[in-house]
Amino acid sequence: SQELEQSPQSLIVQEGKNLTINCTSSKTLYGLYWYKQKYGEGLIFLMMLQKGGEEKSHEKITAKLDEKKQQSSLHITASQPSHAGIYLCGADLGNSGYALNFGKGTSLLVTP
Amino acid sequence: GAGVSQTPSNKVTEKGKYVELRCDPISGHTALYWYRQSLGQGPEFLIYFQGTGAADDSGLPNDRFFAVRPEGSVSTLKIQRTERGDSAVYLCASREGGDQDTQYFGPGTRLTVL
Repeated sequence: SQELEQSPQSLIVQEGKNLTINCTSSKTLYGLYWYKQKYGEGLIFLMMLQKGGEEKSHEKITAKLDEKKQQSSLHITASQPSHAGIYLCGADLGNSGYALNFGKGTSLLVTP
Repeated sequence: GAGVSQTPSNKVTEKGKYVELRCDPISGHTALYWYRQSLGQGPEFLIYFQGTGAADDSGLPNDRFFAVRPEGSVSTLKIQRTERGDSAVYLCASREGGDQDTQYFGPGTRLTVL
């Protein structure tokens, strides 16, 4: 069973629009990782969040971890076709060796 | 520097055959992970190595699956008597080894069992 729920499952946005992807856990998130995946390229690391209320930004992507450390959001500002792909949240739920549990992913398509 | 590499990128085999999948982690990374990703799903944990030893193999689905890392660097995932349900992308990740270090993933091996 998936311990991390991602929403939405898929998203189609017009270039230039903003969007938000959510990741929710019923357990405390000791570390929350956002990855982007394209076919044949494995997972590309975007950001890691650890502390409640933490927020990080890289270029036009901002990720936040809520104060209770059970929900994270990924926000993309002024989306571009290069943002298209599958976004995965992965979490350390206290597993051995920091092994990650993942959500099912959010598929993003950006149209011209 | 070089990232995590995996070979082969694609493997097609017949049901009942034996396969080996290889992972070369980032140099100096002591922790290594194998995950399996089925279509439309997120990666699922299989096994974790710290150095040469398998520290946690609780994610291996059954005894047909085995992994080694004899010198603490390259790792091989071995699957005996493959079944059609084993078809998936097998991902390897490595981590430097400190607390909360980032896991970096390889491109994966797409295994198809006919």
